Amino acid sequence: DVKVTQSSRYLVKRTGEKVFLECVQDMDHENMFWYRQDPGLGLRLIYFSYDVKMKEKGDIPEGYSVSREKKERFSLILESASTNQTSMYLCASSLWDTEAFFGQGTRLTVV
Amino acid sequence: QKEVEQNSGPLSVPEGAIASLNCTYSDRVSQSFFWYRQYSGKSPELIMSIYSNGDKEDGRFTAQLNKASQYVSLLIRDSQPSDSATYLCAVNQKFGNEKLTFGTGTRLTIIP
Repeated sequence: DVKVTQSSRYLVKRTGEKVFLECVQDMDHENMFWYRQDPGLGLRLIYFSYDVKMKEKGDIPEGYSVSREKKERFSLILESASTNQTSMYLCASSLWDTEAFFGQGTRLTVV
Repeated sequence: QKEVEQNSGPLSVPEGAIASLNCTYSDRVSQSFFWYRQYSGKSPELIMSIYSNGDKEDGRFTAQLNKASQYVSLLIRDSQPSDSATYLCAVNQKFGNEKLTFGTGTRLTIIP
């Protein structure tokens, strides 16, 4: 079975902190994605990556950065957390032109 | 115009009836289309994928794709209370690499 693992299920951080969300997949997938999910707004793409060290901006990249140093790991970084970044964050991975598999999600609260 | 749009719902369907979920997309170069189901508090899970025009059936689920009309739908026959969830339409756009974009989802409730 494909497994996508996010490092934390729940996080509480203070405004201005630098926050790291980690995601690891064990199926050698080329593509990895970070989404945030908010009520009424659905899943919005923050960043995606199709290869090691490659990254592309999604629809809402402002305030975020990513890192992919190894194929199995894709990190989302909040440079200076703000309250409007309180959300559910979902990581996903996929092979070319196939369905994406999701991690369990990280519910981040910024206070 | 949003890249992927779904009928916002919520949608209520009696148990045993057919539930119909609709999705339109804006980018004509899109090639791969997916329906995901998401239970409250859980991550999305794949229900159906469809790549070519026409119908694709899997058990009680049928996905329909019309690329000329930029339209994809999901039919759920003999709806069960366990089908109550939010259904997400996803479209894979290719610009040399793959960008998977989701609609906002349709919340479906099956009434016993």
